Amino acid sequence: AQKITQTQPGMFVQEKEAVTLDCTYDTSDPSYGLFWYKQPSSGEMIFLIYQGSYDQQNATEGRYSLNFQKARKSANLVISASQLGDSAMYFCAMREGNNFNKFYFGSGTKLNVKP
Amino acid sequence: GAVVSQHPSWVICKSGTSVKIECRSLDFQATTMFWYRQFPKQSLMLMATSNEGSKATYEQGVEKDKFLINHASLTLSTLTVTSAHPEDSSFYICSATRQALQETQYFGPGTRLLVL
Repeated sequence: AQKITQTQPGMFVQEKEAVTLDCTYDTSDPSYGLFWYKQPSSGEMIFLIYQGSYDQQNATEGRYSLNFQKARKSANLVISASQLGDSAMYFCAMREGNNFNKFYFGSGTKLNVKP
Repeated sequence: GAVVSQHPSWVICKSGTSVKIECRSLDFQATTMFWYRQFPKQSLMLMATSNEGSKATYEQGVEKDKFLINHASLTLSTLTVTSAHPEDSSFYICSATRQALQETQYFGPGTRLLVL
């Protein structure tokens, strides 16, 4: 089974609107961390936000927030007030507590922000 | 966030030559470094995990003799593509992290390799 699933290969959003990028995960480890990364066309991978499995509140970082639904094993990224510079690939990733030597990545979502 | 450098950013080489890519964590000591390969419009494919002072752990299907990884210090890891062939052309990305659940990976800017 896939550890991380991103079901949206591509998304469009109008500038200044909010957008949600989906991510579901699969793990039996009670301790895990979830990460979102942005990859612009330049190729660099940029860390956006982190959510720990024991965190009680949803993580937020500026315009990024993580909608963490533990029972549903989902960790959706919400980008508010989209900007043209948000156009990029977005990857969801997970790290498990029983193995720090591995990050599992989803297949990514290509976000296009329309002016 | 922490800074990871990767050099070179671009390399074009002839088939049969070897290419070395360096990955450095500039402002923190990385206990673990990862090497990824990425094809266009695809996700990152983990090639190997290297911990300082020990042999790298390669993912299934990755040739150890083809992709030599050395992690000599807490700030430097190198990937050498030996006897490169056109099918080795790809985007290679390294990352560095620490051994804690909440620690993100800090990625290098990547190296685009083109083998002619």
